[in-house]
Amino acid sequence: GAVVSQHPSWVICKSGTSVKIECRSLDFQATTMFWYRQFPKQSLMLMATSNEGSKATYEQGVEKDKFLINHASLTLSTLTVTSAHPEDSSFYICSARDYRNLADTQYFGPGTRLTVL
Amino acid sequence: RKEVEQDPGPFNVPEGATVAFNCTYSNSASQSFFWYRQDCRKEPKLLMSVYSSGNEDGRFTAQLNRASQYISLLIRDSKLSDSATYLCVVAWGAGNNRKLIWGLGTSLAVNP
Repeated sequence: GAVVSQHPSWVICKSGTSVKIECRSLDFQATTMFWYRQFPKQSLMLMATSNEGSKATYEQGVEKDKFLINHASLTLSTLTVTSAHPEDSSFYICSARDYRNLADTQYFGPGTRLTVL
Repeated sequence: RKEVEQDPGPFNVPEGATVAFNCTYSNSASQSFFWYRQDCRKEPKLLMSVYSSGNEDGRFTAQLNRASQYISLLIRDSKLSDSATYLCVVAWGAGNNRKLIWGLGTSLAVNP
C-alpha cells in the first residue's frame, strides 16, 4: 500500500518550453501533496505544499508563476515548470500524505529528472 | 545555524562494522523525528521514526536526546546494501504550517 507514482520519470526539453509533471497516489487519497527539488549533492528542498481544492503554498524564493501547481483531485497533483531554463534542471520529487494519517509520514514518488538544454 | 545539521561524510566502513550518525536540530519545539534513506538518483524512503524512548529495528537503532537537541542512528553489522545517504528529518508546526525540515544527509559507503 501507499504507492505514489510520478510521470514522466525523466524528461529532456529545450529552453523556453513548459514541462508538466504528474504525481498520483495510487491506493490512497492524499489531501496534501508536497513538491521537492533536489540538486546534485544537495538536500531535498521543499518547493510547495499542495492541498486538494485550494491554492498551493509556496516556500520562500519559489516563484509561483513559474512553478504552477494544480491539485484537482485527492489522487493527483501536477507541477508545471513554465518557460524552463537550464538552471531548472533538477530532480523533482513529490510526496503525499494519506488523509487518514495525521502523522508526518510522507510517501514519495520515484522522482522526475528534468534536463533543460 | 542550520535548522537541521548532519555531518555529510562520507563514512567509509568495512562490512560488519558498527557506524553511528548524529543529527542536530535548532528548533526546540520540534515534535517528530525521522531517518530516511536515499539511494543514488532515487527517492527517499522512510527508514524509521525516532521516539523519545529510543527504538530499534533489526540492526538499526535510533535515539533522541531532546535536551541536547540531537538524534542518532546506529547501524550494527553493516552490509554492502547499507551504502546510501541517510537523511535526518525533523517536523514542527501544526496544521497547514506543519513542516518537515531535511538535513543534507550523511553518505555511507560500506566496503567489502
